[in-house]
Amino acid sequence: DTGVSQNPRHKITKRGQNVTFRCDPISEHNRLYWYRQTLGQGPEFLTYFQNEAQLEKSRLLSDRFSAERPKGSFSTLEIQRTEQGDSAMYLCASRSDGPYSPLHFGNGTRLTVT
Amino acid sequence: SQQGEEDPQALSIQEGENATMNCSYKTSINNLQWYRQNSGRGLVHLILIRSNEREKHSGRLRVTLDTSKKSSSLLITASRAADTASYFCATSLTGTASKLTFGTGTRLQVTL
Repeated sequence: DTGVSQNPRHKITKRGQNVTFRCDPISEHNRLYWYRQTLGQGPEFLTYFQNEAQLEKSRLLSDRFSAERPKGSFSTLEIQRTEQGDSAMYLCASRSDGPYSPLHFGNGTRLTVT
Repeated sequence: SQQGEEDPQALSIQEGENATMNCSYKTSINNLQWYRQNSGRGLVHLILIRSNEREKHSGRLRVTLDTSKKSSSLLITASRAADTASYFCATSLTGTASKLTFGTGTRLQVTL
């Protein structure tokens, strides 16, 4: 069971730098989600892909954030010109088709912006 | 924004006792799910209840759903130290079955 894989696990960057995170979903899952979680809070939805199409994007996602899923396999989330407020855990999840299939989460990438 | 809110925010019990967590949400849903998160890890799916179901069981877990009150509860029976984690409810809204919206979570501590 390969599960959902996220890299890196931890990222420390200086304010103003760009960062990119990678997510490898479960191979047969065509739906992929990015969430952000801050300490003591639940995950907040950022964006959603069905295959390679980005179908929904939260208003939380400013112009500095961009996500891609080329070829409908792995996905990347890039944050440009990072700010201290971007410090959080970034979680990726995938699921199969159907309204009742659960999300399978990776262990996240913890971003610290200094 | 958070769709649901869990209550209590934190719960501390002794091993062997039952733990009950509640979740309230705001709009009509397609289904409600419960997830567990150990510190520093991703979330793990526990159980899903559809909007036309009222109660569901899985092992030591029992979930109820009251759509008229827009609330759900998760009962963990005979708790173990390994149940120590944060528990989140998540809702899939009617008409938008693509994404889940999570609540704020209940932090459960089970002591020996």
